[in-house]
Amino acid sequence: AQTVTQSQPEMSVQEAETVTLSCTYDTSESDYYLFWYKQPPSRQMILVIRQEAYKQQNATENRFSVNFQKAAKSFSLKISDSQLGDAAMYFCAYRGNNYGQNFVFGPGTRLSALP
Amino acid sequence: KAGVTQTPRYLIKTRGQQVTLSCSPISGHRSVSWYQQTPGQGLQFLFEYFSETQRNKGNFPGRFSGRQFSNSRSEMNVSTLELGDSALYLCASSFGYSSTDTQYFGPGTRLTVL
Repeated sequence: AQTVTQSQPEMSVQEAETVTLSCTYDTSESDYYLFWYKQPPSRQMILVIRQEAYKQQNATENRFSVNFQKAAKSFSLKISDSQLGDAAMYFCAYRGNNYGQNFVFGPGTRLSALP
Repeated sequence: KAGVTQTPRYLIKTRGQQVTLSCSPISGHRSVSWYQQTPGQGLQFLFEYFSETQRNKGNFPGRFSGRQFSNSRSEMNVSTLELGDSALYLCASSFGYSSTDTQYFGPGTRLTVL
């Protein structure tokens, strides 16, 4: 079974600084997708960024980028120029590309943004 | 386009009762997934429906069931509630069930079992 680990339960970042959230996963599959979701306090969870495992190029969405290391099974999220609105729980998630695969989420990292 | 809606937003029940939660997906979306979120266990997959058929099921007891209607709206039911069922229940919709389809989450239903 696939597992997703986020070793940092809590992180903090100063406004305008850069922070990196870690995620590792375990799978025997070669074709899969990785995701970072953001869940702000009392608000809906939204997709931040997605990475296809067959793509070597790291995904980027504005201030959010990932460092995908397939051999190491590592998928970290970098937030640049942090804003107060980045404060949230961040979940790393895995989904295999085979029939019947469901999402497997990590335990989450709570990010605090400081002015 | 309206987002995913879940009703009710908050619910308080007592042990032994049953509860039904509702999820309305984004218009045009045919896949609905349900998750249970607790501080101890995190986000756990319950089940996924596509075109009224359950396509996938997580590792939960039979007390947890669901269904999807022809308009893609979905309900989940928990019978014989236990204290440990207290959680935030999240629904997510997507256009299809492929891994490439982005899931859009609703605000959740917070269930408290006393």
